[in-house]
Amino acid sequence: GQNIDQPTEMTATEGAIVQINCTYQTSGFNGLFWYQQHAGEAPTFLSYNVLDGLEEKGRFSSFLSRSKGYSYLLLKELQMKDSASYLCAVLDSNYQLIWGAGTKLIIKP
Amino acid sequence: GAVVSQHPSWVICKSGTSVKIECRSLDFQATTMFWYRQFPKQSLMLMATSNEGSKATYEQGVEKDKFLINHASLTLSTLTVTSAHPEDSSFYICSAKGLAGEANEQFFGPGTRLTVL
Repeated sequence: GQNIDQPTEMTATEGAIVQINCTYQTSGFNGLFWYQQHAGEAPTFLSYNVLDGLEEKGRFSSFLSRSKGYSYLLLKELQMKDSASYLCAVLDSNYQLIWGAGTKLIIKP
Repeated sequence: GAVVSQHPSWVICKSGTSVKIECRSLDFQATTMFWYRQFPKQSLMLMATSNEGSKATYEQGVEKDKFLINHASLTLSTLTVTSAHPEDSSFYICSAKGLAGEANEQFFGPGTRLTVL
């Protein structure tokens, strides 16, 4: 079956760095997305990786290793507004998005 | 750019009534639209995928006669929850994919919170 695993919850301190991991087992791979979702709101796009390596966008970076079925989202200089759920999603061979359950990130002052 | 709207934002209805939710891509043509449902503290669950002008493809376990999807144009898709019951209360989110943004990127609407009494 298809499976996306990510931690349920993480806690970090304002100003610090946090890494949210995602491992996947899917039928085929056409890219991996990270989305941010604040409570009661729809997800917003953060990043898309289809090749191995690190993609950096400001305070957020996303890494992919296709051979390991592994990705991480790195958030630097954490701000209170970064408190949200972070969803990992993989596009499978049918170009269907397979969603992880999300990681709830709690930022403490 | 790449904005998706949903209407209504929230709706409360009596059990047995039907509710229609609209999803519009405002500044791009959406060749494919997706409908998701999300229960509290759970991830998104894909209900169906619709391509403009053709019948929607429903995920396993989703009743197509209960959740009617119409994708009549490249900018509008509607989801009608027929004979809604309290267990249908959920956060319904649509997303759209077209030529905007990254390849295969889905743009999400703000969601519709449905409460069935």
